Amino acid sequence: GAGVSQSPSNKVTEKGKDVELRCDPISGHTALYWYRQSLGQGLEFLIYFQGNSAPDKSGLPSDRFSAERTGGSVSTLTIQRTQQEDSAVYLCASSRDKNQPQHFGDGTRLSIL
Amino acid sequence: GEDVEQSLFLSVREGDSSVINCTYTDSSSTYLYWYKQEPGAGLQLLTYIFSNMDMKQDQRLTVLLNKKDKHLSLRIADTQTGDSAIYFCADRSYNTDKLIFGTGTRLQVFP
Repeated sequence: GAGVSQSPSNKVTEKGKDVELRCDPISGHTALYWYRQSLGQGLEFLIYFQGNSAPDKSGLPSDRFSAERTGGSVSTLTIQRTQQEDSAVYLCASSRDKNQPQHFGDGTRLSIL
Repeated sequence: GEDVEQSLFLSVREGDSSVINCTYTDSSSTYLYWYKQEPGAGLQLLTYIFSNMDMKQDQRLTVLLNKKDKHLSLRIADTQTGDSAIYFCADRSYNTDKLIFGTGTRLQVFP
């Protein structure tokens, strides 16, 4: 597709379960970012990938959060042992390189019961 | 850390101009961005400005940057009901990769 694709669009899960969120960036974009949008905290940076490496993981809120990127393309954000405060919209963005504008997907709305 | 601030709400009549304001604290800002978010959707890049520019125009959109006062504005000419959305200002600092976002301004356009 032409834009950043994220799946699933909605995810409801029970507290304590693990979840995986997927991001498919724009073809040819080497930089990939994850952000979180929540009512209380606004839009927060989580992690940045350049290729398959993550030079900046400074925004990951705890060690329950991890992410990987394979083949310089698809990225997966994993949240282990989910808590209610993890409920948010998780947004992925990509850019041609780190100096170019970031283009966002529609996000995954995560709800923890 | 760096901070970006915006007013929360703006209400305008259809056909009028809208001006959305943003202030930031970063002294090493390189680019400043405006994104639009409609309900249930992600962020749509509207426009951006390099920090050594003071104005950029793109069709109905005009961005003004006052670097001395660290003030950014987005003017939307001939505002339409389809412009109703939340508008986010974002800052990217020198030698960093992440964007720092404001809280967003909810623009409501009424007939």
